[in-house]
Amino acid sequence: AQKITQTQPGMFVQEKEAVTLDCTYDTSDQSYGLFWYKQPSSGEMIFLIYQGSYDEQNATEGRYSLNFQKARKSANLVISASQLGDSAMYFCAMSLDSNYQLIWGAGTKLIIKP
Amino acid sequence: GAGVSQTPSNKVTEKGKYVELRCDPISGHTALYWYRQSLGQGPEFLIYFQGTGAADDSGLPNDRFFAVRPEGSVSTLKIQRTERGDSAVYLCASSLRSTGLSGANVLTFGAGSRLTVL
Repeated sequence: AQKITQTQPGMFVQEKEAVTLDCTYDTSDQSYGLFWYKQPSSGEMIFLIYQGSYDEQNATEGRYSLNFQKARKSANLVISASQLGDSAMYFCAMSLDSNYQLIWGAGTKLIIKP
Repeated sequence: GAGVSQTPSNKVTEKGKYVELRCDPISGHTALYWYRQSLGQGPEFLIYFQGTGAADDSGLPNDRFFAVRPEGSVSTLKIQRTERGDSAVYLCASSLRSTGLSGANVLTFGAGSRLTVL
């Protein structure tokens, strides 16, 4: 069965440090996509970054990068130089080939300390 | 519009009452999704529209829940005879194309409607 696991319910990180949020996935499909979303206290889910299963390079978007290790089925989010505004819930999600559904993890609550 | 708009942002109702939650997706987005998010959890899929039709309503928990999208744009999620267990944040999202979610076809979410059933 397809599943997303985020093992860190919460994390505290000092401002300006880098942080890695863990995500492992389980699927037998060869074609899939991995997404990270940020959900601040305002409630809106904000798309951060995407990695396709056939992409050879790790995805990067500004301070966000995705450490994609296909053999280990992990897709960790790395935030460099963390800022106070990065404090939020972070969700990892997976889509399967040509599908419209996202399978979601339980999320990690990230708190950036000044 | 510029983003996905959901109204009301907060709704408090009494057990047994009827509730409607509205979603106005991004203009031109074909697909529309409803999710439910309970405290401390990831979103849970409810229903998905391609245009005007509900392509997949397998996530609706029971027949008290119903959703429509009559003109292929605005959607309304309707909950009859509300129960305390229906309390959650109801998220609406839209995407440009109906299939093949990817970096070029992401779900864009609204801020959600927080429903509290007393």
